[in-house]
Amino acid sequence: DAKTTQPTSMDCAEGRAANLPCNHSTISGNEYVYWYRQIHSQGPQYIIHGLKNNETNEMASLIITEDRKSSTLILPHATLRDTAVYYCIVRVNRGRDQKLVFGQGTRLTINP
Amino acid sequence: GAGVSQSPSNKVTEKGKDVELRCDPISGHTALYWYRQSLGQGLEFLIYFQGNSAPDKSGLPSDRFSAERTGGSVSTLTIQRTQQEDSAVYLCASSLGWSLEQYFGPGTRLTVT
Repeated sequence: DAKTTQPTSMDCAEGRAANLPCNHSTISGNEYVYWYRQIHSQGPQYIIHGLKNNETNEMASLIITEDRKSSTLILPHATLRDTAVYYCIVRVNRGRDQKLVFGQGTRLTINP
Repeated sequence: GAGVSQSPSNKVTEKGKDVELRCDPISGHTALYWYRQSLGQGLEFLIYFQGNSAPDKSGLPSDRFSAERTGGSVSTLTIQRTQQEDSAVYLCASSLGWSLEQYFGPGTRLTVT
């Protein structure tokens, strides 16, 4: 079962920052937070991941709370092409259990 | 560089027939994963390969499903005696190592009539 809780849907205006929350209150010390997204009719796309520290790459920023029970994915300047379902996943990074367990995700709609 | 490729992109088959779905991972990626996505079930894990061995087959829904990987590269997912509930998009992903981010292919849409 997915170990995360996300809002079902969100809207954001084009050009604004999109902030997608995720609750993972039962996260273990060795579990990472991963974000993937799936644009309609395409395979999921890796965005970013982190353990404790905030992370930033060319696509997004990931803010993880100090207690690690929640996180926020930030798309700093959302475009229409960012419309997708965003999945927050927690997973260990070693051992035999390497599968990704996808929940229902957040359907983000970027409006012009 | 080239991403994960899958073939065929679409497959329509009659109930009871066998199908084979192919996945070509990114060159050099040692780990390979199969998932499927259906309307009722969302995205679910099927099986994972590290090299040619499959440490985790826990997601295969029945013994009609099998997968193999040869040469540490191409993988084939076989579904025998297909049923209508097998209709879904079958997604393959690969990663450089078994702990790293996974890169997905475009999927194969399977329709069982």
